[in-house]
Amino acid sequence: EPEVTQTPSHQVTQMGQEVILRCVPISNHLYFYWYRQILGQKVEFLVSFYNNEISEKSEIFDDQFSVERPDGSNFTLKIRSTKLEDSAMYFCASSPTGTMNTEAFFGQGTRLTVV
Amino acid sequence: GEDVEQSLFLSVREGDSSVINCTYTDSSSTYLYWYKQEPGAGLQLLTYIFSNMDMKQDQRLTVLLNKKDKHLSLRIADTQTGDSAIYFCAENEDSSYKLIFGSGTRLLVRP
Repeated sequence: EPEVTQTPSHQVTQMGQEVILRCVPISNHLYFYWYRQILGQKVEFLVSFYNNEISEKSEIFDDQFSVERPDGSNFTLKIRSTKLEDSAMYFCASSPTGTMNTEAFFGQGTRLTVV
Repeated sequence: GEDVEQSLFLSVREGDSSVINCTYTDSSSTYLYWYKQEPGAGLQLLTYIFSNMDMKQDQRLTVLLNKKDKHLSLRIADTQTGDSAIYFCAENEDSSYKLIFGSGTRLLVRP
């Protein structure tokens, strides 16, 4: 069964460093998303991406964050200068269309720890 | 802003029914969803309901929607130990593709 895969499963980085979280969405999907879950808090939407551009983003997704689909298969989330409060589980998701009755398939997540 | 609330924990005996409740605030939600998260895994969509429906049944799962009270529930019949997981309620915000999640209900099924 096709699945969304994320790498690495756990990343530890020093405050101020740049990190890139990687995702391989399901191959025929067109819409891509990043969500995050800070420990003990809710899963929060960060950004959606379609046709090589951001279609929606939340107030969390500030200038420190960027997304890219560099080679037609990977979908990456970059955090330019990590802060302690960026420590969270980051989930990538993809869906075949952007209609709301479409299942968004989620990856298993990357746990980012900023020290 | 929009908010989704769930109770944090539910414990049931194997074979009993489980009912997980959720309340939401966005009256313009078009779809409401239930996701399941097993340890070390991603979020798996279990079922969803369109906002003009009151009920949806899918095998052991029954979703009830009370739009007036903005209350959503997930009933799992004949709960099994494999159903132990965290269950997230979610709605789409303002008819967009952005999902607003609850904090999740941890279901523990006792043998």
